[in-house]
Amino acid sequence: GDSVTQMEGPVTLSEEAFLTINCTYTATGYPSLFWYVQYPGEGLQLLLKATKADDKGSNKGFEATYRKETTSFHLEKGSVQVSDSAVYFCARKETSGSRLTFGEGTQLTVNP
Amino acid sequence: GAVVSQHPSRVICKSGTSVKIECRSLDFQATTMFWYRQFPKQSLMLMATSNEGSKATYEQGVEKDKFLINHASLTLSTLTVTSAHPEDSSFYICSAATGTDGFYGYTFGSGTRLTVV
Repeated sequence: GDSVTQMEGPVTLSEEAFLTINCTYTATGYPSLFWYVQYPGEGLQLLLKATKADDKGSNKGFEATYRKETTSFHLEKGSVQVSDSAVYFCARKETSGSRLTFGEGTQLTVNP
Repeated sequence: GAVVSQHPSRVICKSGTSVKIECRSLDFQATTMFWYRQFPKQSLMLMATSNEGSKATYEQGVEKDKFLINHASLTLSTLTVTSAHPEDSSFYICSAATGTDGFYGYTFGSGTRLTVV
């Protein structure tokens, strides 16, 4: 079935470091891909999305490009801040229906 | 933007009692509501999907008689944990989906921390 695989965490970086969180998905159909962020004790917030191959989603300095050839949607940010500390989830929407499938989540901690 | 209000944010209940969690879409109509459960340091596990006016579809392994879902209107869905036990303690999150031109937007509630003692 459809699945999403994220790099394992936790990830700890210093402020202003470069961030990459890897995400790959199963190559069935033409899914839409998402990154969500979850701050402690809260629900999920949409960070960015891409709906077709080669689309780049971007928001708040974060970027991810829908790569069909590598079935990947890696999250990147050039310079992280302490306030970026959170759990990040990669997700795909099944090509039929409205259901989301989430990756395992990656805990990011940014130290000053 | 779209907002889903989830209440309560935290609840502590005694073993054997029932707890109701509400999710309201404040400024849009939620055609579909998803209910997730999240264990500490783990991903979201989809429990069930509900469409307004119809019975919820439960994921394999989720007891429908224990986790009662009602989606009586386009703006309100509820999850009732019946006869709660300590193993039901978890973080529960709802998510509303709306279809616009074939692309679904999702709005998540802020979650409910349930502790059963």
